[in-house]
Amino acid sequence: QLQLQESGPGLVKPSETLSLTCTVSSGSVSSDTYYWGWIRQPPGKGLEWIGNIYYRGTTDYNPSLKSRVSISIDTSKNEFSLRLSSVTAADTAVYYCATYYGSGSFYQYWGRGSLLTVSS
Amino acid sequence: QSVLTQPPSVSAAPGQKVTISCSGSSSNIAQNFVSWYQQLPGTAPKLLIYEHNERPSGIPARFSGSRSGTSATLGITGLQTGDEADYYCGAWDSSLSGWVFGGGTKLIVL
Repeated sequence: QLQLQESGPGLVKPSETLSLTCTVSSGSVSSDTYYWGWIRQPPGKGLEWIGNIYYRGTTDYNPSLKSRVSISIDTSKNEFSLRLSSVTAADTAVYYCATYYGSGSFYQYWGRGSLLTVSS
Repeated sequence: QSVLTQPPSVSAAPGQKVTISCSGSSSNIAQNFVSWYQQLPGTAPKLLIYEHNERPSGIPARFSGSRSGTSATLGITGLQTGDEADYYCGAWDSSLSGWVFGGGTKLIVL
C-alpha cells in the first residue's frame, strides 16, 4: 500500500516561510486515483485541513490559509510539497501529508507527521 | 470553532456500546460523504469509516457509521481499552469548497 513520509526543518523563525515535503513510495503522485493533501494539528488540538493538489497541478486550499499557502507536486521525484509564508507561533503544529480519494471523499493513507515549531 | 460539531468526550465501560455524533449542515454532511478517523495517542489519524458507513479492510465490524440529514454518527460496540483515542469526522463542504473536520471526540473506556 501507499506510504508517505514528511520531511522538514523542524524549526522555523517567525515571519519566515515554512517548507515541507512528502515523499511517496509504493505508488505514484502521477496517479489519477488520488489527490495529495496536507493536514495539520497544533499541539493538544484538533485536525485542520490545509489543502490538496491533483497530479495535474490543480489545487484546493483552506480559505483561512489561502493567502499564505502553496502546494506543489514534483512527479520526477514522486513527491509533493507545502509552503506556508509569514509564519507565526500559531502555525506550530504536526503537519501530516495524506492521500485524498476524491470519488469517495476521504483521506485514506497518512504519513506519520512532522512537527514544525515556529520560534525565534 | 469547527464547522462540524462533535462532543468533546464520551465514555463507556469495556464491552459496552458508544456513539459519537457529528453535526453539520446542508453544505457538508447533507450532500457529501462523511468519513471518520481514529487517532490513537501519539500517532497519525487512521481512516475508520468512509462514504458514511463503509469500513476499510482491517477495520472490525464493531465500528459502524451512519448519516441522517445534516448529522452523522459513529458507533462502536464491544468497547475495548485499546479503543481509547480521539475520533474525528470529516466531509467536503461545498459552500467553502474545502474539507472540514469536526473538533474531535475523546473516547474514554472506563
